[in-house]
Amino acid sequence: GNSVTQMEGPVTLSEEAFLTINCTYTATGYPSLFWYVQYPGEGLQLLLKATKADDKGSNKGFEATYRKETTSFHLEKGSVQVSDSAVYFCALSADLSGGKLIFGQGTELSVKP
Amino acid sequence: SQTIHQWPATLVQPVGSPLSLECTVEGTSNPNLYWYRQAAGRGLQLLFYSVGIGQISSEVPQNLSASRPQDRQFILSSKKLLLSDSGFYLCAWSLTGPFVGGYTFGSGTRLTVV
Repeated sequence: GNSVTQMEGPVTLSEEAFLTINCTYTATGYPSLFWYVQYPGEGLQLLLKATKADDKGSNKGFEATYRKETTSFHLEKGSVQVSDSAVYFCALSADLSGGKLIFGQGTELSVKP
Repeated sequence: SQTIHQWPATLVQPVGSPLSLECTVEGTSNPNLYWYRQAAGRGLQLLFYSVGIGQISSEVPQNLSASRPQDRQFILSSKKLLLSDSGFYLCAWSLTGPFVGGYTFGSGTRLTVV
């Protein structure tokens, strides 16, 4: 079946460090891929998305490239800030008729000043 | 613009009591609607989804049920809560048809069963 695997957290970085959160997926066909962010005590917000192979999604300095050959969608940011501290979820949808999202387990990021 | 409302924000309920969480969407018609649960320290689990009024699909067997009495209203219920029902419940909506847009989530309800 379809699934998403993320690197385990928590990830702790110093401000201005480089961030990578790994995400790999298993899916039939050609899924759409997403990164969501959850700030403490809040719901999830869409951070970025990519709908076909080699697409790069980007937003707020974050980016991720849809790599079909490695079935990956790693999230990166060149210089993290304290305000980036949150839980990050990778997700896919392989259902063209309605769109059930399948989420990874989430990766907690903590950025220290 | 579209908005999604979820309430209450927090809830503490005793074991065996009933539950009703409500979610409403504004600014769109015939959305797909979803209920997710996020247990402490764990990822998101899809509980129910609905593609139309009265149409509910359950993803996991459990103590909970869902209903969609109106196009933009989605209700999560239980007749008797269990301790294991504690968690963060999130409602979400998406457009119907070819799926490219992702979900929009509500702000969530934190349920503690005591």
